[in-house]
Amino acid sequence: NAGVMQNPRHLVRRRGQEARLRCSPMKGHSHVYWYRQLPEEGLKFMVYLQKENIIDESGMPKERFSAEFPKEGPSILRIQQVVRGDSAAYFCASSRGPGTGYEQYFGPGTRLTVT
Amino acid sequence: AQKVTQAQTEISVVEKEDVTLECVYETRDTTYYLFWYKQPPSGELVFLIRRNSFDEQNEISGRYSWNFQKSTSSFNFTITASQVVDSAVYFCALSEGTNSGYALNFGKGTSLLVTP
Repeated sequence: NAGVMQNPRHLVRRRGQEARLRCSPMKGHSHVYWYRQLPEEGLKFMVYLQKENIIDESGMPKERFSAEFPKEGPSILRIQQVVRGDSAAYFCASSRGPGTGYEQYFGPGTRLTVT
Repeated sequence: AQKVTQAQTEISVVEKEDVTLECVYETRDTTYYLFWYKQPPSGELVFLIRRNSFDEQNEISGRYSWNFQKSTSSFNFTITASQVVDSAVYFCALSEGTNSGYALNFGKGTSLLVTP
């Protein structure tokens, strides 16, 4: 049973470019979460999505960041016009159901480096 | 306000020693979940355990054990007879509420180094 898959594992972008991070949840999971791990700051929640719906984006920066989880295909975290401060590890997690009763299983992460 | 505090930033032990990683949480909810995750040097996050606020029974899984005490708002994690492969960063996390809570609030992690 494949786990949560993320690609690419490493992504290098120059300032001003766009970054697209992909996440395929575990089989049978329809709930996806994105977290960001900044150096010295730990892991922070960004957004929670179900198929075709953003449920909670309270942790998303107000500008340049967006997320989607289409009916078909992986969830995408998109960062427009990247800046050096966006350099971080971005983790996707999935769960079988909503709420605290379900474990979130994490993918291996995408390490974004902005040069 | 920090909801999860892991006061130990780094711990270094010699193989076969026991080590306890501390986690203190803060919440006003009566229903919540606590988690531990392991992040080895390869970078992925590995789920270790989930406990709900109504179950204070301690849990043991092989060399791992967890002590949940609501009276002190703590959820400590003990590794018995540590091994080099236990070297990793360990995160404690809190999720609050019943149907509305799902975001994990992570502590800043404790980096554990086990030397031979």
